[in-house]
Amino acid sequence: NAGVMQNPRHLVRRRGQEARLRCSPMKGHSHVYWYRQLPEEGLKFMVYLQKENIIDESGMPKERFSAEFPKEGPSILRIQQVVRGDSAAYFCASSQSPDSSTDTQYFGPGTRLTVL
Amino acid sequence: GDSVTQMEGPVTLSEEAFLTINCTYTATGYPSLFWYVQYPGEGLQLLLKATKADDKGSNKGFEATYRKETTSFHLEKGSVQVSDSAVYFCALSRGSYIPTFGRGTSLIVHP
Repeated sequence: NAGVMQNPRHLVRRRGQEARLRCSPMKGHSHVYWYRQLPEEGLKFMVYLQKENIIDESGMPKERFSAEFPKEGPSILRIQQVVRGDSAAYFCASSQSPDSSTDTQYFGPGTRLTVL
Repeated sequence: GDSVTQMEGPVTLSEEAFLTINCTYTATGYPSLFWYVQYPGEGLQLLLKATKADDKGSNKGFEATYRKETTSFHLEKGSVQVSDSAVYFCALSRGSYIPTFGRGTSLIVHP
């Protein structure tokens, strides 16, 4: 049973380019969460999606960032016109239900974005 | 709002030493408490959890007891190994889909 898959594992972009990060949840999981981890900091929630719906994007910057989870295929986190401050590790997690107190979120290995 | 405070790292120990990583929390009601571990270059993995006061979570030799009176959930291990070197995150959840994470504590174990 494959875990949460993320690709690419490492992504290098120049300022102004676009970054696309992909996440395939665990089989049977329909709830996907994206987090950002800056160096020496904990995880910060960005967005919560179910299939074809954004449920909560309160942690995602209003400009340049977008996320989707289509009916078919992986969830995508898209960052347009990247800036150096976007350099971070981006983690995707998935779960069977949205109650994190009883239902574990399983994390992917992350995508480490470096903006030159 | 909810918050989790962990001791600052890095924590540096010799192999077979006793480990304690302190974690205290602020939250209303009765949250569930978690410890996650992040090995170098990997994502977070759930290490253990406790869902009510006085519960003890345990896994791989690690233990933590949910102390409501001191709002704490300290992580302990009797004898650490080099392979335990990682970053450890304390977290809480009150039924929402967004756990509240601490900043993480880096553990370095020397042979």
